[in-house]
Amino acid sequence: AQSVTQLGSHVSVSEGALVLLRCNYSSSVPPYLFWYVQYPNQGLQLLLKYTSAATLVKGINGFEAEFKKSETSFHLTKPSAHMSDAAEYFCAVSGGQETSGSRLTFGEGTQLTVNP
Amino acid sequence: DGGITQSPKYLFRKEGQNVTLSCEQNLNHDAMYWYRQDPGQGLRLIYYSQIVNDFQKGDIAEGYSVSREKKESFPLTVTSAQKNPTAFYLCASSRTGAGGYTFGSGTRLTVV
Repeated sequence: AQSVTQLGSHVSVSEGALVLLRCNYSSSVPPYLFWYVQYPNQGLQLLLKYTSAATLVKGINGFEAEFKKSETSFHLTKPSAHMSDAAEYFCAVSGGQETSGSRLTFGEGTQLTVNP
Repeated sequence: DGGITQSPKYLFRKEGQNVTLSCEQNLNHDAMYWYRQDPGQGLRLIYYSQIVNDFQKGDIAEGYSVSREKKESFPLTVTSAQKNPTAFYLCASSRTGAGGYTFGSGTRLTVV
């Protein structure tokens, strides 16, 4: 079984500041990990994913995340926030190659606000 | 381009009515999913299907029904038994065993 905890339902940063969105996971098998972004009244868009290759994963829009097995974490970062980054972000985990299904377990989401 | 199409984008339902939300994908994905999203509650799984003519209940299936007669299509019916149907509904699909979902753009259902 898998689970995801996103620390902080709301995060607020200033434009140009570092963005750090936290995600911790629990998985009984080597996981696949994902970050999705959702803009208002839209579906979720994949930002990046970890599938057991490089532990530092680069995604779209300047975001990246690092898989740390010892900390069971997959935090999302961006060096400099833009106003357009304001959205809700979801972390998700699946059972990776160990399972024939591909069901994702989602975190509760983190709403990112970017202040001018 | 391949993708998932949800329709309609906005839907209004009178109390006591059944309504059907459409979800079509041309990605040749085996698995399809329906989620409900309410403010502050993240995504909750309603139903999912990993193969044609088979589907399983998710965490909040009561008051909903689905069918999977074709690989490309996974419609969701919100029945009159669903007491609080006003929400944003998201459909997604994935390849079995691979990573990640592709999402549709959602349908916002409002009871009037």
